Amino acid sequence: GNSVTQMEGPVTLSEEAFLTINCTYTATGYPSLFWYVQYPGEGLQLLLKATKADDKGSNKGFEATYRKETTSFHLEKGSVQVSDSAVYFCALRNTNAGKSTFGDGTTLTVKP
Amino acid sequence: DAGVIQSPRHEVTEMGQEVTLRCKPISGHDYLFWYRQTMMRGLELLIYFNNNVPIDDSGMPEDRFSAKMPNASFSTLKIQPSEPRDSAVYFCASSFGTRNTGELFFGEGSRLTVL
Repeated sequence: GNSVTQMEGPVTLSEEAFLTINCTYTATGYPSLFWYVQYPGEGLQLLLKATKADDKGSNKGFEATYRKETTSFHLEKGSVQVSDSAVYFCALRNTNAGKSTFGDGTTLTVKP
Repeated sequence: DAGVIQSPRHEVTEMGQEVTLRCKPISGHDYLFWYRQTMMRGLELLIYFNNNVPIDDSGMPEDRFSAKMPNASFSTLKIQPSEPRDSAVYFCASSFGTRNTGELFFGEGSRLTVL
């Protein structure tokens, strides 16, 4: 079956630090890959996505590249802000499949 | 678009009472998902529907939980009788099928506290 493994948290960084949150996956076929973000008291929302190998998803300064050879989709940001403090979920969804598979989430706290 | 709409946002009830959570998906989406989130167990998929038909309810914890989707614009998750261990945030999400990129759109959640 499908699975997603995320870097364990929590992660605490100072403002303007570089962020990496690792994500690796196991899946049959060619899934689409996603990063979702959950701010305190809110639902999850899509941060970025990639639908095929070597695609790079990007949004709000965050980036992730779909690496089929290493089955990875690591999230990066060059300079984090306090407002980036949230929980980040890596997820996949197969073509013609119903449900998504989520990682356990990584809590990021950015201190001024 | 108004997004996925859930109600109530907060519910406090006593053990043994019936709880009904409601969800209005985004118009045109053909998948609807119910999730539960707790600190201990994280995000759990309870059940999902495709074109109003339940496809997989293997995540429903026990018979006290039931979900319906009578039409494309409305779904309910019912807990009867409720227990303190049901306290959690319940999220509804909807999506197109994977003919598009398949991302989920989540509501803001219903925070349930069972005393």
